[in-house]
This record gives sequence, C-alpha cells and structure tokens, in this order.
Amino acid sequence: EVQLLESGGGLVQPGGSLRLSCASSGFTFTNYAMSWVRQAPGKGLEWVSALSVSGVTTYYADSVKGRFTISRDNSMNTLYLQMNSLRAEDTAIYYCAKMATVGTISGKHPLDYWGQGTLVTVSS
Amino acid sequence: DIQLTQSPSFLSASVGDRVTITCRASQDISSYLAWYQQKPGKAPKLLIYGASSLQGGVPSRFSGSGSGTEFTLTINSLQPEDFATYYCQQLNSYPRTFGQGTKVEIK
Repeated sequence: EVQLLESGGGLVQPGGSLRLSCASSGFTFTNYAMSWVRQAPGKGLEWVSALSVSGVTTYYADSVKGRFTISRDNSMNTLYLQMNSLRAEDTAIYYCAKMATVGTISGKHPLDYWGQGTLVTVSS
Repeated sequence: DIQLTQSPSFLSASVGDRVTITCRASQDISSYLAWYQQKPGKAPKLLIYGASSLQGGVPSRFSGSGSGTEFTLTINSLQPEDFATYYCQQLNSYPRTFGQGTKVEIK
C-alpha cells in the first residue's frame, strides 16, 4: 500500500524557516517524480513545487521561487521542502504527492497518491 | 502560466442528478488535464487523467471529456458520497496549475 506521511509543520513567525518531510513507503520511491501542493485555510489547491527522480530538476510556483527548496533523499525514501523567509500567505496545509507514472518530471502525468498533509501557520 | 477557470464555483444538486462541471484553460493543453475530488479534511483523490481516462477504482458514473481549452467532468446519478469539491489541474506545463474548485452541495 502506498503511503506518504508528511511532518514538520507548525507555528512559525514571519521571516522564519521550516523544513517539511514526506516519508514514503509501498512503492519504489526512486522511480517517481514528486510534488508539493498546498491549500490555505478554506481555499483551493495551489501547486507549489516538483522534483525529478534524480533530484536535479526542480520546478517552483512563482509565489515560492527563491524562498522554498525541494529536495529528496532516495536512500531514505523521503521528500523535503525547505521553506525560508516565510510569510503569512504561506499559511496552509502542505501535501506531498506522487506522480502517477514512472518517468521524467516532464511527463504529463497526474498526482495519484497524496499524503494527509501537514499544517504550516505563519503568524506572530 | 496557464490559467484554469472552473464553472460553476458552487453547485447545488440532489441525489440522482446528473452534474456537469466545466474547466477552461487559457491556452491549448491538448488532453493533459486531470480531475480530483476533495472531501472536507481529506487529501485530494485522483478521478480522471488524460481528460477522459478513469483512474482505477473510481466509479463509472464519473466521466471526463474535452480537449484543447474546454473540458468537462460529468457525474451521472449523483450519490451521497459525491458531495465534495472538485478541482481540475493542467498537466501540460509547469507550473501545474489548478482550477479554483467547484463545490457540489446537497440541495
């Protein structure tokens, strides 16, 4: 059974940093590109970032570019999101998600498994 | 960036109704569109990919159609468990934008 378990969320002051983790199991992590998607309270889904299998190719939403860094440790089957210079508008539930098909990050594939999310609250 | 506009934003329907949600893209995305269902407090669930392919385990009352810039999600014979929010997502290019969502409520 595919499982994605996010952790690392919490309350942080504006300008602060947090590192989210997503531990995976039930599939061959090293074969799949991964993504982060967030959802502000009461709002819709916002795609945040994606990372290739090798960890070399990355994509970011303009709203987080230069502040967030996505990475992975294939030996630990874990995806990360380092979030710096946090703002109130970054407050959201952050989901990690797996791309549906083995292949390159450029593959036009949906996200077929999602974690339960971790809440990040940016407030003073 | 590709913008996706869903309509309507809210929809009130009864059990047994046929429901149609539209997603319009700001540029041609061929058939690279997915639909997700999200229930309160839960993660999104993939329903449809490639505009019209049903994800495994998803009931056949869900169907998708369209290509280019206009797409539809249809739910035939709405069931109580279908009351949720539905999102489209374009898979053609990065950033992989979502529509703003359509909330399907019980009439």
